[in-house]
Amino acid sequence: EVQLVESGGDLVQPGGSLRLSCAVSGFNVSDNYISWVRQAPGKGLEWVSVIYRGGSTYYGASVKGRFIISRHNSKNTVFLQMNSLKPEDTAVYYCASLRIAVADFDYWGQGTLVTVSS
Amino acid sequence: QSVLTQPPSASGTPGQRVTISCSGSSSNIGSNIVNWYQQLPGTAPKLLIYSNNLRSSGVPDRFSGSKSGTSASLAISGLQSDDEADYYCAVWDDKLNGVVFGGGTRLTVL
Repeated sequence: EVQLVESGGDLVQPGGSLRLSCAVSGFNVSDNYISWVRQAPGKGLEWVSVIYRGGSTYYGASVKGRFIISRHNSKNTVFLQMNSLKPEDTAVYYCASLRIAVADFDYWGQGTLVTVSS
Repeated sequence: QSVLTQPPSASGTPGQRVTISCSGSSSNIGSNIVNWYQQLPGTAPKLLIYSNNLRSSGVPDRFSGSKSGTSASLAISGLQSDDEADYYCAVWDDKLNGVVFGGGTRLTVL
């Protein structure tokens, strides 16, 4: 059974940093494409980042230069390092597996809440 | 403001058919596959329709998707109270090199 479990969400001050984790079971992260998608309170979905099977990484315009996606193959976990956090980064962050051929997210985690506030 | 445009709300009575539209451009819907997600209150999104018109595993055939040019639509027939949710279209955008979502449509079953 495929499972994605996010953790690491917390309350952090503006300008601070936080690292989110996405622990995967049921497939190898090294063989797949994993994304982060966020949802601000009461708002819609926003794609944040993706790490490709080959290791390439891509980011949405609003987080480029501040967030870094990475993975630890032996732990089968994907991370999102978030730096220079802003209040507008407040959201539930979901990790999801991306089927690159059809560009859809077939499996999602339950999400972890990040609140950026002083 | 989202790259893909959806109506913010839609409604229908039980048994009715409703349609949700999703409008984009040549760099996204016009050249790539459209997918639809359903998000029930307080839960993570779930893949509903992929590759424009294919139902994800376990999705009843009351749900259907279509695409024409730079627009797509999701149709739900035989509306049920369980269908009350937010619905999002999504597509790969060649200019942004990432996935873009519509703003979402909240479906209310009256």
